[in-house]
Amino acid sequence: ETGVTQTPRHLVMGMTNKKSLKCEQHLGHNAMYWYKQSAKKPLELMFVYNFKEQTENNSVPSRFSPECPNSSHLFLHLHTLQPEDSALYLCASSHFLSGGGAYEQYFGPGTRLTVT
Amino acid sequence: KQEVTQIPAALSVPEGENLVLNCSFTDSAIYNLQWFRQDPGKGLTSLLLIQSSQREQTSGRLNASLDKSSGRSTLYIAASQPGDSATYLCAAQRRSGGSNYKLTFGKGTLLTVNP
Repeated sequence: ETGVTQTPRHLVMGMTNKKSLKCEQHLGHNAMYWYKQSAKKPLELMFVYNFKEQTENNSVPSRFSPECPNSSHLFLHLHTLQPEDSALYLCASSHFLSGGGAYEQYFGPGTRLTVT
Repeated sequence: KQEVTQIPAALSVPEGENLVLNCSFTDSAIYNLQWFRQDPGKGLTSLLLIQSSQREQTSGRLNASLDKSSGRSTLYIAASQPGDSATYLCAAQRRSGGSNYKLTFGKGTLLTVNP
């Protein structure tokens, strides 16, 4: 596997289900991101992890719970979602230096989530 | 708060035409600007990244320019091909606090190149 991979690619879940999205990066990066892409809206940053530590939560509802066990893996745990949460969820990774610097982000193919 | 606007929202051109996609951003204190391509239902593919100290970047038939002071970037596609049909997104990256850098995206330009 190369680049950034995401599983599953498609997910349909009911409002009472619990599911998880998985992201893995094979680029040697140490920062990972979750984005949400809804129809007719710009991509929205949800969470940022640098060196496995969550450094940004962009006012995301608690029904979305991220987990970053190591710098290569990122999960998004989902529970009691709403139909308006249906969207394409994209994972990205980049280099990160604690001293600063903005680096190019590389994206995975996304998980198309439908909440019924 | 950074806002990124892309014009036009959609563009349809015949094959072989040269075209320009526009991106504007409200906060000029950016570190870089990235152009991405997104095919329907797919993830983003990075096309070009321009650092704030640069004026342009080129890759094959693509050329991106950046005018930080006026808050504008353009993506020029030469000799367009049907395979160029996709949504093109621009994103401005700036510091969001501490050591974090945040990408703010535009809504994209949907390009259709007709054979």
